[in-house]
Amino acid sequence: GAVVSQHPSRVICKSGTSVKIECRSLDFQATTMFWYRQFPKKSLMLMATSNEGSKATYEQGVEKDKFLINHASLTLSTLTVTSAHPEDSSFYICSAPPATGPSYNEQFFGPGTRLTVL
Amino acid sequence: KQEVTQIPAALSVPEGENLVLNCSFTDSAIYNLQWFRQDPGKGLTSLLLIQSSQREQTSGRLNASLDKSSGRSTLYIAASQPGDSATYLCAVRAYNDMRFGAGTRLTVKP
Repeated sequence: GAVVSQHPSRVICKSGTSVKIECRSLDFQATTMFWYRQFPKKSLMLMATSNEGSKATYEQGVEKDKFLINHASLTLSTLTVTSAHPEDSSFYICSAPPATGPSYNEQFFGPGTRLTVL
Repeated sequence: KQEVTQIPAALSVPEGENLVLNCSFTDSAIYNLQWFRQDPGKGLTSLLLIQSSQREQTSGRLNASLDKSSGRSTLYIAASQPGDSATYLCAVRAYNDMRFGAGTRLTVKP
């Protein structure tokens, strides 16, 4: 089956630093990847849609300068949280639908990255 | 903008009961609907995917239905087990967009 990995799984950083989270589709290509964040005991909130070879599409209220998204290849998207603050602490999850094949259009999710900003 | 609602928010049942989780959405122009399970502090596990042209999908003790015209989906769990305890999320996919409901937190008591 289609597998999506995220790295790191957990990160603790100091306030003011930047953190990069990688999302990889391991056995399929994805022209689009989605980034979500989840607060404790809340549902997933779509932050942005990452498009290979073009700019990401951000949801209303999400600061594009704060959450930098790069979709460098058909198997890799990165989310960089710049100048992180404690309120950025959250669980970040990416998902990717295969661009082709029998699982076309089905969302496969990474295991998530727990970010803690001190 | 698509809005997805899940009812109930929480549900506690004794082991062995059959139960139904509900999901409703406001825009019927969807590609598909997916049901997920999430354990505390963990990622998502896909349970069932229903394409917009389908009415239902089954996997083991799980059955999911989709009524696109009325904007509703149900997840039926037969003979519930304590291991089924988790949060169940439904997600609706449209073009370049996927919206989640707030989830139903299910507890199955032994």
